[in-house]
Amino acid sequence: QKEVEQNSGPLSVPEGAIASLNCTYSDRVSQSFFWYRQYSGKSPELIMSIYSNGDKEDGRFTAQLNKASQYVSLLIRDSQPSDSATYLCAVIGIQGAQKLVFGQGTRLTINP
Amino acid sequence: GAVVSQHPSWVICKSGTSVKIECRSLDFQATTMFWYRQFPKQSLMLMATSNEGSKATYEQGVEKDKFLINHASLTLSTLTVTSAHPEDSSFYICSASSRGSYNEQFFGPGTRLTVL
Repeated sequence: QKEVEQNSGPLSVPEGAIASLNCTYSDRVSQSFFWYRQYSGKSPELIMSIYSNGDKEDGRFTAQLNKASQYVSLLIRDSQPSDSATYLCAVIGIQGAQKLVFGQGTRLTINP
Repeated sequence: GAVVSQHPSWVICKSGTSVKIECRSLDFQATTMFWYRQFPKQSLMLMATSNEGSKATYEQGVEKDKFLINHASLTLSTLTVTSAHPEDSSFYICSASSRGSYNEQFFGPGTRLTVL
């Protein structure tokens, strides 16, 4: 079982709709969770970090964390064509560790 | 978010030469820097982790004598690809984090290396 799993997609969403991206992780002691966006040919960009159960909102983005289910998600409201990218879920496991463990990424396409 | 720069953004070199890539944190002190490599349509692969003033910790399978990492200050880390070969052609990306930043890593824009 992979440490961090994402549906690789591609996920197609019409413009203006909500895009929902999901991620599960295997290490129950994981402490820190991140969503990165990576455009083709570019480096990853941190868009959300979440550390405690519940929802965290930042503009059109909402991250949701459920540690009991070992599940983290990212919702993008009012999706725009510029949101088309690969979204990487990343987790830091052991407290005090520094390495990010990445999922394989979900390709998201927003259709005008 | 914090800003990380890399230089150069792209480089073409001949087989057998060495290439140095710089990674700088511009507005924060990076206690830890990471070097990744990404081949087309593949995931990021962590090569090594470096803490300021310490030797880098390399991931399994990464040759430390080929990929020399120096993290001499809290704002600068360098990766030198020694005796580069065409199979070293890749997208090299650094990231940086600081103590007390909840382990958030901020990525540089990457350096595209082509070895002829």
